Order: sequence, then C-alpha cells, then structure tokens
Amino acid sequence: DTEVTQTPKHLVMGMTNKKSLKCEQHMGHRAMYWYKQKAKKPPELMFVYSYEKLSINESVPSRFSPECPNSSLLNLHLHALQPEDSALYLCASSPLRQRATTEAFFGQGTRLTVV
Amino acid sequence: AQKVTQAQTEISVVEKEDVTLDCVYETRDTTYYLFWYKQPPSGELVFLIRRNSFDEQNEISGRYSWNFQKSTSSFNFTITASQVVDSAVYFCALRSIIQGAQKLVFGQGTRLTINP
Repeated sequence: DTEVTQTPKHLVMGMTNKKSLKCEQHMGHRAMYWYKQKAKKPPELMFVYSYEKLSINESVPSRFSPECPNSSLLNLHLHALQPEDSALYLCASSPLRQRATTEAFFGQGTRLTVV
Repeated sequence: AQKVTQAQTEISVVEKEDVTLDCVYETRDTTYYLFWYKQPPSGELVFLIRRNSFDEQNEISGRYSWNFQKSTSSFNFTITASQVVDSAVYFCALRSIIQGAQKLVFGQGTRLTINP
C-alpha cells in the first residue's frame, strides 16, 4: 500500500468555522508533511512531523494547528481562516533517515475554499 | 539557499510531438537529490523520477527521458511522442534533508498541454 489518503477532498468553510483536514498512511513512514499550494503556484512546505513530534514549522500562522496523534495519522486543524487561505492542502509522508533514498508520497489533497 | 527554476510557464504542443521541460537548480550541498513530479488536474503529485548528485547517467523510461548535467546545474525532462494524457503541470524539485525529514523545494512548474 503506497497510498496517502486525505479527507475531505473538498471543503468550503466560513471565516468563523472550525474544521479539520485528515491524512492517513500505512507505509510505516515516520515523517509526515503538510504542504499548501495556491492556484498556479508550487507546493510550499508548512509543517513536518518526525516521530509524531513537530520538527519544522515554516512560520505558519497560528490559525493552522497541526496534530499527529499516531504514526499513521496527521491532522490540520483550521480556525478563523481568511479567504486568502483558500488553496490545495497536500499531505505527504516519507521514511525518516539521513540518507533517504526514496521519495515522499503525496495524497490527492484537500481543496479548501474559505468564504 | 536552495532554488529551482522552471523558466517555461506553459507549453502547448500537438500530440506525437516531442517536448522538453527545462529545470535549473541552485544548491550549496555537495550531495543532493532532484525530482520530477507530475500533477494532473486531480491534484495529486505523482512521482516520476529521482536522481542523486553522484549519478549523472541519463535515464530513459518508456517515452520519458531525463538529462542531468551538473556542469550546467540542469535536470531536463523530455517526453517523446507526447500523448493527450501527458497534459498536466510538471514540477522539478530539489530535496534537502533536515533532521532526517525531506524538505522539497519546487520550481514554479510547467503547465503542459498536449492537443489532439
């Protein structure tokens, strides 16, 4: 199983809503990632979890709150978002080692629209 | 700093033509990995190839081929006899390892349209 599964695939939320994006993988990967991709732009790294601990936060606003409850699951909690946060949110996973010889696997993403 | 440049924003060709997507990178690392990903309209990033900095051998996989040249810091991708299903956005990426995790820096992407 080389899949990274993200739910939901589409999400529309108001600026006062609280919602969560979910990501799951069963490849035994101990690194999991959130990327944000605006329209017609490349993906940009937001967060990295290593061994279920937050290891990298790319100066992401606090209205985005990541969580890694176990080695297979990654959540992104959303609160008080702005319309400019509308984007494709991609989850990825990879093995965790200094000389990684494999690629990161990406999910299909959640298309988020903030109204 | 890591940087990837894909100068071609959009390319449009007729089916069966060959097309080359350019990628130029900058890094101070002596060991690094380069990647090409394909992103169809569905959104998923599909891995195409990985190349490490010690291996300058070109690679061919079916209709796809890659030309890696360290001397010019380029990692170009050619599709031979293009097909409509090749239409997608293609990203070149440079990877760095931070505390064992992979950080990918992507180029701006090239939107490829194959017309029937």
